[in-house]
Amino acid sequence: SQKIEQNSEALNIQEGKTATLTCNYTNYSPAYLQWYRQDPGRGPVFLLLIRENEKEKRKERLKVTFDTTLKQSLFHITASQPADSATYLCALDNNAGNMLTFGGGTRLMVKP
Amino acid sequence: DAGVIQSPRHEVTEMGQEVTLRCKPISGHNSLFWYRQTMMRGLELLIYFNNNVPIDDSGMPEDRFSAKMPNASFSTLKIQPSEPRDSAVYFCASSREQKNQPQHFGDGTRLSIL
Repeated sequence: SQKIEQNSEALNIQEGKTATLTCNYTNYSPAYLQWYRQDPGRGPVFLLLIRENEKEKRKERLKVTFDTTLKQSLFHITASQPADSATYLCALDNNAGNMLTFGGGTRLMVKP
Repeated sequence: DAGVIQSPRHEVTEMGQEVTLRCKPISGHNSLFWYRQTMMRGLELLIYFNNNVPIDDSGMPEDRFSAKMPNASFSTLKIQPSEPRDSAVYFCASSREQKNQPQHFGDGTRLSIL
């Protein structure tokens, strides 16, 4: 069966360190993968998109990698700040129009 | 630009009542998505529309749920009759129709069925 797995346990890190979040998937062949941020009481907000033929994408302090052999994406926040504390969700297309399937999200807590 | 607008933000009602959730997508976006989010099941796609036409409603849990999009600027999700297990946060999102487009979410309706 199809699965998208993100670490359900919260990730706690110290301010200034690099946070690394993982998204693993099985029985998907996505053409692209997206990452979203969700704050309590708010809807998810789009951060980055990476295509299957791209190994890495960067935007300011964010970096995403996409390994279609390992079926994994890594999401990095460098020089993390308490304001980065949120839940981060990955989402895959499933080659069916522009639908996305979301992972369960990982909560990140950055402590000052 | 205004984002996706959902109403109401909160709804508390008794079991058996009809519930109607509303969504106004971003102007110019011709895809609209309804999701439900719970702790147990995460963010699940219920139904999506392209150009006001329902394309995939396989995520709609049962016949008690229905969704309409009478025009490009308005959609509703209706639950009739509501049950306690329908309690969740319901999100609407919109995007441009092409693949690879990011989805823009509203802030959701927190629904509690007593």
